[in-house]
Order: sequence, then structure tokens, then C-alpha cells
Amino acid sequence: KNEVEQSPQNLTAQEGEFITINCSYSVGISALHWLQQHPGGGIVSLFMLSSGKKKHGRLIATINIQEKHSSLHITASHPRDSAVYICAVRSYNTDKLIFGTGTRLQVFP
Amino acid sequence: DTGVSQDPRHKITKRGQNVTFRCDPISEHNRLYWYRQTLGQGPEFLTYFQNEAQLEKSRLLSDRFSAERPKGSFSTLEIQRTEQGDSAMYLCASSQGQNQPQHFGDGTRLSIL
Repeated sequence: KNEVEQSPQNLTAQEGEFITINCSYSVGISALHWLQQHPGGGIVSLFMLSSGKKKHGRLIATINIQEKHSSLHITASHPRDSAVYICAVRSYNTDKLIFGTGTRLQVFP
Repeated sequence: DTGVSQDPRHKITKRGQNVTFRCDPISEHNRLYWYRQTLGQGPEFLTYFQNEAQLEKSRLLSDRFSAERPKGSFSTLEIQRTEQGDSAMYLCASSQGQNQPQHFGDGTRLSIL
């Protein structure tokens, strides 16, 4: 079993829909990251959080440390949100990131 | 701030050849990380540096792989005697320090013929 699990693996939405991507992890962590990867490989960091909730524009990330679970929400989705969204955690005793396999999101007009 | 720069963007080589990739981190970022990503998977950790010191290496980093950061600025990742299984995207990231956000480059895609 992977240390970081994401669901769903693939997600299709109509423009304007509210989207949720889930991440569960099995190790103790110092922080959790949500990342966005577009075709061609470039990765952009969206959020780094260790507790509670963060919001940036139409993106909201939440984390429940006790349940070892995080969610990424996209409100009013747009075709330009189409990308792979990756959850990654940093465990206590190291600075490396452990990644989930990603959620491929496609938003259609 | 020009971001993390990786060179080349794409490398095609024959099995058995040696390849070297370069990563230039964001200036004044003292931590530099290498990850590898195969098709359809999330990235996997390879190694990271603080300044010139290599602090951690994954067991994925076999004897054919070596990484250096000689002056604590740019880093190189060399793969000797490449194999088909080495085909992947090699990603570099940098950060200002421990537990800080990691900023990624666009990666080097390695294709082994």
C-alpha cells in the first residue's frame, strides 16, 4: 500500500462544477503539499499546510491531521484548471516529499 | 527570480550510454532535490542536498546514479550505462531551507532507445 493515496484517479467535470480531490496518508507528517502539473511536466506548488484550511482564489485546501486526510476543492471550475493534481507529504524526520500518484482533472466547456 | 532551471529539457540516448543533467536552483536556495517520475505515476525521491552536502539518498539511486552539488549552487545528476528502465522525467526542486516550499523546474525527459 502506498504511503500517500489519492482519489479519484481521473475526474471529468463541466465548467462551473465544484470539484473535490481527496488525499489520505499513512505516515506522520510535518506538512502536506498540493501541487499542479500541466502536460509537459512543470510542477507548480499550490498549497503547503500543516493544519486547518487555506484558500487561494478558487482553490481551497483542508487537512485533518487526526484522520490523516486532506482535500483540495476547486470552486467554479474552468477548462484552464485541467491538469494533474498531486498530493505530497513531508514526514517528520526528513525533508523529502512522498507523492501520491495524482488525479487527472479535465474540465469541459 | 528566474525559477529553477533544468537542462536539457529532453535527452534521447541509446542504452548503455552515460547521460548528465544539470539543475540551477533559485539563487540563495540552499536546498536542492532530485526526483524521478515515470509515466502515470507521482514523482519519487532520489536525493537532496543542503549546500554542497548530500543529506539523503534513496535506495532507488543505484550505483549507476550519482549526484553532485560541488559549490552549493547548481547540481548535476549522472546516470552511467543507461537502461530502458531509466526512461523517465527527472525533476529538480529547490527551497530556502528545511520545511520550506519546494519550487520545481520543468524537468528533463530521458528517453532510452
